[in-house]
Amino acid sequence: DAKTTQPTSMDCAEGRAANLPCNHSTISGNEYVYWYRQIHSQGPQYIIHGLKNNETNEMASLIITEDRKSSTLILPHATLRDTAVYYCIVRGYFNDYKLSFGAGTTVTVRA
Amino acid sequence: EAQVTQNPRYLITVTGKKLTVTCSQNMNHEYMSWYRQDPGLGLRQIYYSMNVEVTDKGDVPEGYKVSRKEKRNFPLILESPSPNQTSLYFCASSGSGGGLTGYTFGSGTRLTVV
Repeated sequence: DAKTTQPTSMDCAEGRAANLPCNHSTISGNEYVYWYRQIHSQGPQYIIHGLKNNETNEMASLIITEDRKSSTLILPHATLRDTAVYYCIVRGYFNDYKLSFGAGTTVTVRA
Repeated sequence: EAQVTQNPRYLITVTGKKLTVTCSQNMNHEYMSWYRQDPGLGLRQIYYSMNVEVTDKGDVPEGYKVSRKEKRNFPLILESPSPNQTSLYFCASSGSGGGLTGYTFGSGTRLTVV
């Protein structure tokens, strides 16, 4: 599985967009990029995933570079409830039962 | 409501006393998995199952057993718990299909072994 690199932490002002970067330079052609978040000690929550096209849902947008070596999760209007650890994960098509979590990015949204 | 249900939420037990943490999902998912989360070590996969009667080891399987006799259930068994198994445990499930669905996680089981 491709490994990912994320910043350890970042702060964001409430109401502003939060842009969370992720590097996955060794990603292969059949691997998807997934984003999860974990609020305090709750179970991780699925946010969004994509293969090569940009994706948007009610929670966030995912921008994947053309070479697929990096991506950015965008929370368009961060709220205090978005304070969480955000995980960027690469998950393969043929071994999609495996989901390996790294350390993630601790995002703190400040009022 | 689509969900993964773990029981119990909290458990304190003594070393060596066998215990089972149950996990059930109502989404007809093929894949199920157990994780443990420890401070500084993040989420680590214990075991996973790709379907009924098909299970395999994750990254930290020592001291744990699992079974998948029915599609909806995936219990985690600790035959002889030890203090180093004190942790926060999560069960998760996912449909198959090459990344078409995300994993749904349970609310967690906080286990303390004394």
